[in-house]
Amino acid sequence: DTEVTQTPKHLVMGMTNKKSLKCEQHMGHRAMYWYKQKAKKPPELMFVYSYEKLSINESVPSRFSPECPNSSLLNLHLHALQPEDSALYLCASSQDPGHTQYFGPGTRLTVL
Amino acid sequence: KNEVEQSPQNLTAQEGEFITINCSYSVGISALHWLQQHPGGGIVSLFMLSSGKKKHGRLIATINIQEKHSSLHITASHPRDSAVYICAVRVGNQFYFGTGTSLTVIP
Repeated sequence: DTEVTQTPKHLVMGMTNKKSLKCEQHMGHRAMYWYKQKAKKPPELMFVYSYEKLSINESVPSRFSPECPNSSLLNLHLHALQPEDSALYLCASSQDPGHTQYFGPGTRLTVL
Repeated sequence: KNEVEQSPQNLTAQEGEFITINCSYSVGISALHWLQQHPGGGIVSLFMLSSGKKKHGRLIATINIQEKHSSLHITASHPRDSAVYICAVRVGNQFYFGTGTSLTVIP
């Protein structure tokens, strides 16, 4: 199994909703990443988990809350988002931090 | 200032043409990655380079560490090569992404 899966593929939510994005990999990778990508822009790193511990938080607002329940799963909990948070949210994993990353297909989020 | 610059930003080619996309960076790096992103979002890692040259099918990637420059070449381009190509450099455990090159190959 050499893929990273993300659910849901699309998500529409209101500014008062609470939702979660999920990411899963079964490649035995020990580093997992969340990226945010706006249209026609490169991905922006949000969080890095290394060996299930949060190692990098790129000054992301607290309305985004990551969670790594185990080495195969990565969640991103969303609460009180703003319309400008609408974007493609990409998850990636790598064998170790800094190694080649394998990306999931992304969740396209729309905040109304 | 962006640590990673790509050129051109947009590129249109006729099917069969040889294509070159360039990436320059200003920081000391551990490795450089070339990524491909198709419309709809999926990102595929094409190459990871720390020196020299790598080839995979019709794709060739080169890097010159002294000049802080890398190129991605596509030989005999095909419409299915149409995508955004992104250069990313690794500095320690951090990644810095270029702004991408949008390639359209016309039949």
